This record gives sequence, structure tokens and C-alpha cells, in this order.
Amino acid sequence: AQTVTQSQPEMSVQEAETVTLSCTYDTSENNYYLFWYKQPPSRQMILVIRQEAYKQQNATENRFSVNFQKAAKSFSLKISDSQLGDTAMYFCAFMNNDMRFGAGTRLTVKP
Amino acid sequence: GAVVSQHPSRVICKSGTSVKIECRSLDFQATTMFWYRQFPKKSLMLMATSNEGSKATYEQGVEKDKFLINHASLTLSTLTVTSAHPEDSSFYICSARTTSGVYEQYFGPGTRLTVT
Repeated sequence: AQTVTQSQPEMSVQEAETVTLSCTYDTSENNYYLFWYKQPPSRQMILVIRQEAYKQQNATENRFSVNFQKAAKSFSLKISDSQLGDTAMYFCAFMNNDMRFGAGTRLTVKP
Repeated sequence: GAVVSQHPSRVICKSGTSVKIECRSLDFQATTMFWYRQFPKKSLMLMATSNEGSKATYEQGVEKDKFLINHASLTLSTLTVTSAHPEDSSFYICSARTTSGVYEQYFGPGTRLTVT
């Protein structure tokens, strides 16, 4: 079974600075998808970024980018120019047949 | 974008009763829907996977007789918590995968169940 590990329960960053959230996963599959989701207090899951495992190029979405290291099974999220609205829980997710989540990282952006 | 709705958003029921939660894909067809449970300040735990027209596949440790899942159409899946107990109180989230071939899941807003 696939497992997803987020080793940082909580992180904080000053507004306008950069923060990196870590995620590692374990799988024997070669084809899969990786995601970062944001869950604000409303608890609605919001897709931040996705990465197809067969693509070597790291995905980017505006201020959000990933560092995907397939051999190391690592998938970190970098948030640049952090904004107060980025404060939320962030979940790393692995998808093959179904989607599995890491334990989450609570990110606080400080003014 | 693809929208998934859940109804109700909040429900309070008495111990021993059953409660049904609906999950609908509003603007797309979903061959596969997923049900997750989330405890406070915890991650989403997959409960079951349902495919339209067939029986749901439950994760280990999830009681299929307690959590009845029906996926009768390409736009609707239901989760019925039978004979609810206070320990069933939780936040339940559904998600749906499109039939378009795009490998992505869309999440509903969740249902907060409180069993008294």
C-alpha cells in the first residue's frame, strides 16, 4: 500500500517570504500522480498543484512550485511571496487507483 | 471547473438512528466516487471507493454494514451511517473522479455529523 509522509506538523513563515513543505511517499508503482491540497478553516479541499510522475519537469502554479524527485520519492511544495491567505492546512496526496493523504502541515503566515 | 456538492452540510442525529449523506457531481459524470472521514485536526482517511452500478470497495477496518454506500448513477453517491453512535461523529468528505480521462478528483465541501 502507498504511504504518504509529511514530517512537519506545523510551519510558520513571515509574510512575503518563502516556505517549503516536505512530503515523501512510498510506492512500487511507476505511474501515479501527486498533489498538494490546501484546506482552509472552511474545510473545503482546494487543489494547489499537481504533478504527473512521468513528467520530469517540476510543476508550477504562480507562487507555488514543487520539487519532484522521483528516485527519492520526494515531493516538496515551495510557496513564494507568502500571503496571509495562504494560512491553512496543506496535505500532500498520492494517487494511483485512489487518493491517499499525508498527515498534513499546518502553515501559518505571520504579518 | 468541476463542482461536487454534499447534502446536508451539517446534521445532528440521535444515537441509534440512521443518517444519509448525498454526494453529487453537478457538472460532470463520475464513474468513481470516494468517501473520506476526517477527525479534528487530522488527515483524510479513505473509507471506501464506489463505482457506478457496482458494490463499493471498503478500506480495511471500515464496517460495510455500518457505512452503506450506494452509487446508483453517474452523478450521485450516498453514504448512510446506520445505527449511529457518538463515535461516528466526524467530518465526512466525498470526492468524484471524472470520466474524461483527466486524472483528478474533485472534492465536496464535507458534511459534519454529530451523533448525540
